[in-house]
Amino acid sequence: QSALTQPASVSGSPGQSITISCTGTSSDVGGYNYVSWYQQHPGKAPRIMIYEVNNRPSGISNRFSGSKSGNTASLTISGLQAEDEADYYCTSYTSSSTYVFGTGTKVTVL
Amino acid sequence: EVHLVESGGGLIQPGGSLRLSCLTSGFTLSAYWMHWVRQAPGKGLVWISRINPDGTIRNYADSVKGRFTISRDDAKNTLYLQMNSLRGDDTAFYYCARGDYGLAGTWGQGILVTVSS
Repeated sequence: QSALTQPASVSGSPGQSITISCTGTSSDVGGYNYVSWYQQHPGKAPRIMIYEVNNRPSGISNRFSGSKSGNTASLTISGLQAEDEADYYCTSYTSSSTYVFGTGTKVTVL
Repeated sequence: EVHLVESGGGLIQPGGSLRLSCLTSGFTLSAYWMHWVRQAPGKGLVWISRINPDGTIRNYADSVKGRFTISRDDAKNTLYLQMNSLRGDDTAFYYCARGDYGLAGTWGQGILVTVSS
């Protein structure tokens, strides 16, 4: 159950778009459309941003979008805003009937 | 409004046991998968365990299998995590979460468990 691989940090200026990758294997990301993305601000509980690869829960801005190609999922944040500065984690269902999180990405708004 | 509130954390010696509770409100617990996720201070999220609505399916991460047990009491609107043979690397914030929107759409505020002598 190795963690999914994410870049440690991604940065962008306000208004720009950034993309965070999440790489797994055919036993997790590549094998199922059960990839979710979470935002976590310091000292707070995680917040769901994207579920089932590319679906947004109600109340989540359409600036957040998800996609998947092969064993890699991606989260794109467009029109970057100061409040988007946070840690982001992907997660996937696995062939072992478990879940695995990504290593986490710190997003910095310059 | 949906709420999940964890309790039962604290300082425990290595080898000890602790039971976490997650009191839920604002929804019908029996209709949902429920999960436990933990996060060591300053580290990333780690999925620990899940239980299905009728309690017949329980899955665990390898790191806790055989030591932790997830259970639920829908009549009490409460999810539990029994943690035995605790080790230093079990030190973390423990979150309960409702299994909607993929893994979890609704989370508790977390409870700190510190394993240390």
